[in-house]
Amino acid sequence: SQTIHQWPATLVQPVGSPLSLECTVEGTSNPNLYWYRQAAGRGLQLLFYSVGIGQISSEVPQNLSASRPQDRQFILSSKKLLLSDSGFYLCACVGAHNYGYTFGSGTRLTVV
Amino acid sequence: GNSVTQMEGPVTLSEEAFLTINCTYTATGYPSLFWYVQYPGEGLQLLLKATKADDKGSNKGFEATYRKETTSFHLEKGSVQVSDSAVYFCALIPTGYSSASKIIFGSGTRLSIRP
Repeated sequence: SQTIHQWPATLVQPVGSPLSLECTVEGTSNPNLYWYRQAAGRGLQLLFYSVGIGQISSEVPQNLSASRPQDRQFILSSKKLLLSDSGFYLCACVGAHNYGYTFGSGTRLTVV
Repeated sequence: GNSVTQMEGPVTLSEEAFLTINCTYTATGYPSLFWYVQYPGEGLQLLLKATKADDKGSNKGFEATYRKETTSFHLEKGSVQVSDSAVYFCALIPTGYSSASKIIFGSGTRLSIRP
């Protein structure tokens, strides 16, 4: 079964600083990968998804970007963080023959 | 379009009470349905799933039945414990599932269990 590693677990960054969150997947190849954000007390918002290396689709316009440099690596970035970027960021994947998503343990980002 | 509607929380119950969290969906054809659970400070974990009408998913004492006629997938547990306190998300993947399908989540229901 697939496993997602996500780091760091928590992060406090000042406004205007850059961001890089990393997610790696084990136990499957050629997965679809997703970045979600969960604002405090709210549901899940899909930010980006990727069906292959270098292929990124953005769901909502925002201050963030994503990249997939390797098959099982997905990176969420920002050049300059905003206060509104604070939230809980979750990476998820779907393997080739698996119903449902597998989620990472999340990164809690606080922009101050 | 496809959507999932969950009962709003928070839901607060006493230990050993009966739990129901309502979930209804809008989708064409036969979507696959899921319940995910998020414990405090953690990511989401798949709790149970059902992939066709009348299927019953079950896990850890929780159950949900895929009701095509009422487009519902209500989550139930006969006797809740303090350790069940978490946020519960209902979700669907539209008909014609493939690895490219995007899961659609409800807004989540926060459950708190009093000792």
